[in-house]
Amino acid sequence: AAGVIQSPRHLIKEKRETATLKCYPIPRHDTVYWYQQGPGQDPQFLISFYEKMQSDKGSIPDRFSAQQFSDYHSELNMSSLELGDSALYFCASSLGSSGGRETQYFGPGTRLLVL
Amino acid sequence: RKEVEQDPGPFNVPEGATVAFNCTYSNSASQSFFWYRQDCRKEPKLLMSVYSSGNEDGRFTAQLNRASQYISLLIRDSKLSDSATYLCVVNMDSLGIQGAQKLVFGQGTRLTINP
Repeated sequence: AAGVIQSPRHLIKEKRETATLKCYPIPRHDTVYWYQQGPGQDPQFLISFYEKMQSDKGSIPDRFSAQQFSDYHSELNMSSLELGDSALYFCASSLGSSGGRETQYFGPGTRLLVL
Repeated sequence: RKEVEQDPGPFNVPEGATVAFNCTYSNSASQSFFWYRQDCRKEPKLLMSVYSSGNEDGRFTAQLNRASQYISLLIRDSKLSDSATYLCVVNMDSLGIQGAQKLVFGQGTRLTINP
Protein backbone atom coordinates (compact mmCIF):
# COMPACT_ATOMS: atom_id res chain seq x y z
CA ALA A 1 0.00 0.00 0.00
CA ALA A 2 1.14 3.52 -0.76
CA GLY A 3 2.59 5.41 2.17
CA VAL A 4 3.40 9.01 2.97
CA ILE A 5 6.33 10.30 0.95
CA GLN A 6 8.68 12.98 2.19
CA SER A 7 11.50 14.70 0.40
CA PRO A 8 14.30 15.21 0.77
CA ARG A 9 15.18 12.48 3.25
CA HIS A 10 18.30 14.29 4.39
CA LEU A 11 19.20 17.97 4.22
CA ILE A 12 22.23 19.92 5.38
CA LYS A 13 22.02 23.70 5.58
CA GLU A 14 24.02 26.54 7.02
CA LYS A 15 22.71 28.97 9.63
CA ARG A 16 20.46 31.69 8.20
CA GLU A 17 19.73 29.68 5.06
CA THR A 18 16.26 28.55 3.99
CA ALA A 19 14.88 25.05 3.52
CA THR A 20 11.75 23.58 1.97
CA LEU A 21 10.46 20.19 3.02
CA LYS A 22 7.84 18.38 0.98
CA CYS A 23 5.17 15.87 1.97
CA TYR A 24 2.96 13.76 -0.29
CA PRO A 25 0.10 12.19 1.67
CA ILE A 26 -1.39 8.77 1.19
CA PRO A 27 -3.73 8.86 -1.84
CA ARG A 28 -7.21 10.14 -0.92
CA HIS A 29 -6.01 11.53 2.40
CA ASP A 30 -7.00 15.17 2.74
CA THR A 31 -5.25 16.10 5.97
CA VAL A 32 -1.58 16.68 6.66
CA TYR A 33 0.14 17.20 10.00
CA TRP A 34 3.76 18.34 10.51
CA TYR A 35 5.79 17.30 13.56
CA GLN A 36 9.32 18.11 14.70
CA GLN A 37 11.39 15.61 16.68
CA GLY A 38 14.60 16.91 18.21
CA PRO A 39 17.39 14.58 19.34
CA GLY A 40 16.17 12.45 22.24
CA GLN A 41 12.80 14.19 22.21
CA ASP A 42 9.27 13.09 21.41
CA PRO A 43 7.61 14.50 18.28
CA GLN A 44 6.06 17.95 18.71
CA PHE A 45 3.13 19.15 16.62
CA LEU A 46 3.85 22.13 14.36
CA ILE A 47 0.89 22.73 12.05
CA SER A 48 -1.88 20.94 10.17
CA PHE A 49 -3.96 21.39 7.03
CA TYR A 50 -7.36 20.02 6.11
CA GLU A 51 -8.70 20.43 2.59
CA LYS A 52 -5.95 22.94 1.77
CA MET A 53 -6.77 25.22 4.70
CA GLN A 54 -4.74 25.54 7.88
CA SER A 55 -6.68 23.66 10.52
CA ASP A 56 -4.50 23.90 13.61
CA LYS A 57 -1.26 25.43 14.76
CA GLY A 58 1.18 24.29 17.40
CA SER A 59 4.65 25.33 18.41
CA ILE A 60 5.73 26.47 14.97
CA PRO A 61 8.22 29.37 14.92
CA ASP A 62 7.27 32.50 13.00
CA ARG A 63 10.25 31.79 10.72
CA PHE A 64 8.42 28.73 9.42
CA SER A 65 5.42 28.66 7.14
CA ALA A 66 3.54 25.90 5.41
CA GLN A 67 0.77 25.31 2.95
CA GLN A 68 -1.21 22.53 1.36
CA PHE A 69 -1.67 22.54 -2.38
CA SER A 70 -4.56 21.53 -4.65
CA ASP A 71 -3.13 18.01 -5.03
CA TYR A 72 -3.01 17.78 -1.19
CA HIS A 73 0.75 17.72 -0.96
CA SER A 74 2.22 20.07 1.61
CA GLU A 75 5.40 22.07 1.93
CA LEU A 76 7.08 23.35 5.08
CA ASN A 77 9.20 26.43 4.44
CA MET A 78 11.87 27.27 6.98
CA SER A 79 13.80 30.52 6.86
CA SER A 80 16.68 32.02 8.87
CA LEU A 81 17.64 28.55 10.01
CA GLU A 82 19.14 28.19 13.46
CA LEU A 83 21.25 25.42 14.95
CA GLY A 84 18.28 24.43 17.11
CA ASP A 85 16.21 23.65 14.02
CA SER A 86 18.29 20.50 13.50
CA ALA A 87 15.75 17.71 13.93
CA LEU A 88 13.69 15.05 12.24
CA TYR A 89 10.64 16.53 10.56
CA PHE A 90 7.74 14.14 10.10
CA CYS A 91 4.68 14.58 8.03
CA ALA A 92 1.61 12.51 8.82
CA SER A 93 -1.50 12.15 6.73
CA SER A 94 -5.03 11.13 7.56
CA LEU A 95 -8.53 11.12 6.19
CA GLY A 96 -10.18 14.00 8.02
CA SER A 97 -13.09 12.90 10.11
CA SER A 98 -15.05 14.40 12.94
CA GLY A 99 -15.40 13.05 16.42
CA GLY A 100 -11.71 12.49 17.05
CA ARG A 101 -11.48 9.36 14.94
CA GLU A 102 -8.63 10.22 12.61
CA THR A 103 -5.70 7.84 12.39
CA GLN A 104 -2.45 9.46 11.34
CA TYR A 105 0.16 7.65 9.27
CA PHE A 106 3.68 9.00 9.36
CA GLY A 107 6.15 9.47 6.55
CA PRO A 108 9.81 8.46 6.87
CA GLY A 109 10.82 11.96 7.88
CA THR A 110 13.34 14.53 6.68
CA ARG A 111 16.49 14.75 8.75
CA LEU A 112 17.63 18.38 8.79
CA LEU A 113 21.08 19.33 10.00
CA VAL A 114 21.91 23.01 10.40
CA LEU A 115 25.61 23.82 10.63
CA ARG B 1 3.64 18.57 33.98
CA LYS B 2 3.70 16.93 30.56
CA GLU B 3 0.35 16.30 28.90
CA VAL B 4 1.24 12.64 28.33
CA GLU B 5 3.56 10.89 30.75
CA GLN B 6 5.13 7.48 30.53
CA ASP B 7 8.04 5.72 32.17
CA PRO B 8 11.03 6.15 29.82
CA GLY B 9 12.58 2.86 30.92
CA PRO B 10 14.72 1.31 29.63
CA PHE B 11 13.07 -2.07 29.99
CA ASN B 12 15.35 -5.04 29.34
CA VAL B 13 13.49 -8.34 29.33
CA PRO B 14 14.25 -11.86 28.08
CA GLU B 15 12.63 -13.21 24.98
CA GLY B 16 9.27 -14.79 25.76
CA ALA B 17 8.57 -12.54 28.74
CA THR B 18 5.45 -10.46 29.25
CA VAL B 19 5.98 -6.74 29.59
CA ALA B 20 3.57 -3.95 30.44
CA PHE B 21 3.77 -0.20 29.80
CA ASN B 22 1.67 2.46 31.42
CA CYS B 23 0.85 6.00 30.49
CA THR B 24 -1.22 8.84 31.95
CA TYR B 25 -2.69 11.84 30.19
CA SER B 26 -3.86 15.20 31.48
CA ASN B 27 -6.80 16.21 29.27
CA SER B 28 -9.92 14.43 30.43
CA ALA B 29 -11.74 15.50 27.25
CA SER B 30 -9.33 13.65 24.95
CA GLN B 31 -11.15 11.40 22.54
CA SER B 32 -8.71 8.98 21.02
CA PHE B 33 -5.62 7.14 22.11
CA PHE B 34 -2.92 5.18 20.40
CA TRP B 35 0.25 3.21 20.87
CA TYR B 36 2.92 3.79 18.24
CA ARG B 37 6.29 2.13 18.05
CA GLN B 38 9.38 3.88 16.83
CA ASP B 39 12.61 2.21 15.78
CA CYS B 40 15.83 4.16 15.97
CA ARG B 41 15.90 7.07 13.50
CA LYS B 42 12.66 5.89 11.87
CA GLU B 43 9.12 7.22 11.77
CA PRO B 44 6.51 6.34 14.41
CA LYS B 45 4.38 3.43 13.22
CA LEU B 46 0.88 2.82 14.50
CA LEU B 47 0.77 -0.27 16.68
CA MET B 48 -2.83 -0.05 17.77
CA SER B 49 -5.62 2.31 18.68
CA VAL B 50 -6.92 2.06 22.22
CA TYR B 51 -10.62 1.71 22.88
CA SER B 52 -12.57 2.10 26.10
CA SER B 53 -13.54 -1.54 26.11
CA GLY B 54 -9.94 -2.63 25.71
CA ASN B 55 -8.67 -4.30 22.59
CA GLU B 56 -6.33 -7.06 21.61
CA ASP B 57 -4.25 -7.65 18.48
CA GLY B 58 -2.33 -10.89 18.63
CA ARG B 59 0.23 -10.64 21.41
CA PHE B 60 -0.66 -7.01 22.15
CA THR B 61 -3.43 -5.84 24.48
CA ALA B 62 -4.32 -2.22 25.14
CA GLN B 63 -6.52 -0.88 27.89
CA LEU B 64 -7.98 2.55 28.56
CA ASN B 65 -9.26 3.78 31.90
CA ARG B 66 -10.95 7.12 31.31
CA ALA B 67 -11.74 7.70 34.98
CA SER B 68 -8.07 7.45 35.92
CA GLN B 69 -6.84 8.90 32.58
CA TYR B 70 -4.60 5.90 32.23
CA ILE B 71 -3.58 3.80 29.21
CA SER B 72 -1.70 0.54 29.20
CA LEU B 73 -0.05 -1.80 26.72
CA LEU B 74 0.70 -5.44 27.42
CA ILE B 75 3.03 -7.46 25.22
CA ARG B 76 2.93 -11.24 25.68
CA ASP B 77 5.52 -13.77 24.51
CA SER B 78 7.89 -10.98 23.53
CA LYS B 79 10.06 -11.40 20.42
CA LEU B 80 13.45 -9.93 19.58
CA SER B 81 11.69 -7.87 16.91
CA ASP B 82 9.62 -6.13 19.60
CA SER B 83 12.71 -4.15 20.64
CA ALA B 84 11.80 -0.51 19.97
CA THR B 85 10.59 2.64 21.67
CA TYR B 86 6.87 2.55 22.46
CA LEU B 87 5.09 5.87 22.30
CA CYS B 88 1.87 6.56 24.15
CA VAL B 89 -0.05 9.03 21.99
CA VAL B 90 -3.18 11.04 22.75
CA ASN B 91 -5.35 13.05 20.42
CA MET B 92 -5.82 16.19 22.49
CA ASP B 93 -8.61 17.62 20.37
CA SER B 94 -11.78 17.60 22.43
CA LEU B 95 -14.07 19.12 19.80
CA GLY B 96 -13.67 16.47 17.12
CA ILE B 97 -12.82 19.03 14.48
CA GLN B 98 -11.68 17.60 11.18
CA GLY B 99 -8.00 18.18 10.54
CA ALA B 100 -7.39 19.62 13.99
CA GLN B 101 -6.67 16.41 15.81
CA LYS B 102 -3.05 16.95 16.74
CA LEU B 103 -1.29 14.15 18.51
CA VAL B 104 0.60 14.63 21.75
CA PHE B 105 3.30 12.07 22.42
CA GLY B 106 4.69 10.70 25.62
CA GLN B 107 8.45 10.61 25.83
CA GLY B 108 8.48 6.95 24.87
CA THR B 109 9.49 3.78 26.68
CA ARG B 110 12.56 2.05 25.39
CA LEU B 111 12.21 -1.75 25.28
CA THR B 112 15.01 -4.20 24.58
CA ILE B 113 14.27 -7.91 24.25
CA ASN B 114 17.29 -10.05 25.04
CA PRO B 115 17.86 -13.51 23.51
